[in-house]
Amino acid sequence: DAKTTQPNSMESNEEEPVHLPCNHSTISGTDYIHWYRQLPSQGPEYVIHGLTSNVNNRMASLAIAEDRKSSTLILHRATLRDAAVYYCILRDIISNFGNEKLTFGTGTRLTIIP
Amino acid sequence: DGGITQSPKYLFRKEGQNVTLSCEQNLNHDAMYWYRQDPGQGLRLIYYSQIVNDFQKGDIAEGYSVSREKKESFPLTVTSAQKNPTAFYLCASSTGTTNTEAFFGQGTRLTVV
Repeated sequence: DAKTTQPNSMESNEEEPVHLPCNHSTISGTDYIHWYRQLPSQGPEYVIHGLTSNVNNRMASLAIAEDRKSSTLILHRATLRDAAVYYCILRDIISNFGNEKLTFGTGTRLTIIP
Repeated sequence: DGGITQSPKYLFRKEGQNVTLSCEQNLNHDAMYWYRQDPGQGLRLIYYSQIVNDFQKGDIAEGYSVSREKKESFPLTVTSAQKNPTAFYLCASSTGTTNTEAFFGQGTRLTVV
């Protein structure tokens, strides 16, 4: 399975942009890059995903390196509500029957400083 | 509203007892997943199912069992064989294709005393 590597923790000041990095050097050509975040004592929620091109939505932007071996989740203006654990994952197909695992790593714990 | 529901939110059991955690979704998703999360840790995959009447072991299946008799439901049984069952359990569902989002329930916190 392709794996991702993220820093254990990051801090950012409120109302400033945040860039959360993710390395996935063994990514395959058909892997989508997904980001989820998990608030304390809650289930993760979807943030954004992409394949090759940069993506924007109301929550964040996703910048994907040209070689796809890394990506960056960008929160344009962090608020206290953005304090969470952010997971970067790859959606992989592991068998001829399309049996897909959805595997998470340990993520990055983002702390927002008021 | 469509979504995925886990119940109960908190569960207490005595050591040596089997316990079943419920997960129901009305999103018409084919794929469902169970994860375990320990304090300060990431999510570890227990079991997953891509279709009714079929499921696969994840990375930490020992001591757990599942069934998928209906598309909407994917219950997880924590058996007495699970050595350290106290944890936060999360259920998720997805269409099963890699370019769509997965939806998570709010989790069940199981404490075994």
